[in-house]
Amino acid sequence: AQTVTQSQPEMSVQEAETVTLSCTYDTSESDYYLFWYKQPPSRQMILVIRQEAYKQQNATENRFSVNFQKAAKSFSLKISDSQLGDAAMYFCAYSPGGTSYGKLTFGQGTILTVHP
Amino acid sequence: ETGVTQTPRHLVMGMTNKKSLKCEQHLGHNAMYWYKQSAKKPLELMFVYSLEERVENNSVPSRFSPECPNSSHLFLHLHTLQPEDSALYLCASSQEGPLGAYEQYFGPGTRLTVT
Repeated sequence: AQTVTQSQPEMSVQEAETVTLSCTYDTSESDYYLFWYKQPPSRQMILVIRQEAYKQQNATENRFSVNFQKAAKSFSLKISDSQLGDAAMYFCAYSPGGTSYGKLTFGQGTILTVHP
Repeated sequence: ETGVTQTPRHLVMGMTNKKSLKCEQHLGHNAMYWYKQSAKKPLELMFVYSLEERVENNSVPSRFSPECPNSSHLFLHLHTLQPEDSALYLCASSQEGPLGAYEQYFGPGTRLTVT
């Protein structure tokens, strides 16, 4: 079974600074997808960024980027120029390929606090 | 944030009650999901419906009974629940396709308390 591990229960960052959230996963599959989701205090989960395992290039979305190390099974999220609105619980998630729908396995989450 | 709606937002029920959670998606998606989010635990995938057929049931107790009458609506029927079933129940939807893991859009959740 696939597992996703986020070893940082809590992280904090100063506004405008950069922070990196860690995620490791375990799978025997070669075809899969990785995600970072953000859950603000209002509770609605939204997708931050998505990475296909077959792509070597790291995904980026504006201030958010990932460091995808396939051999090490590591998938970290870097948030640059942190903003107060980035404060949330961040979840790393894994979904295998080979199905037409998603089967997300989530990590335990990292609470990110942004200090003004 | 209104693409996926859930009602009620909060629910308190006794162990002998029967209640239902409702989810509606307005995004034209064809796959819908129920997740359970408990304190100190990762989100757990409970059920997946693809094209209105249940395709995943992750060892969920029978006191949880899902129903998907059409591609826009998803229900979770609850009966004889236990206090450990208290959690946030999240609904999500996505567009099924050949690449598999398209983005899932989540609802705000129903906070369930079993007394």
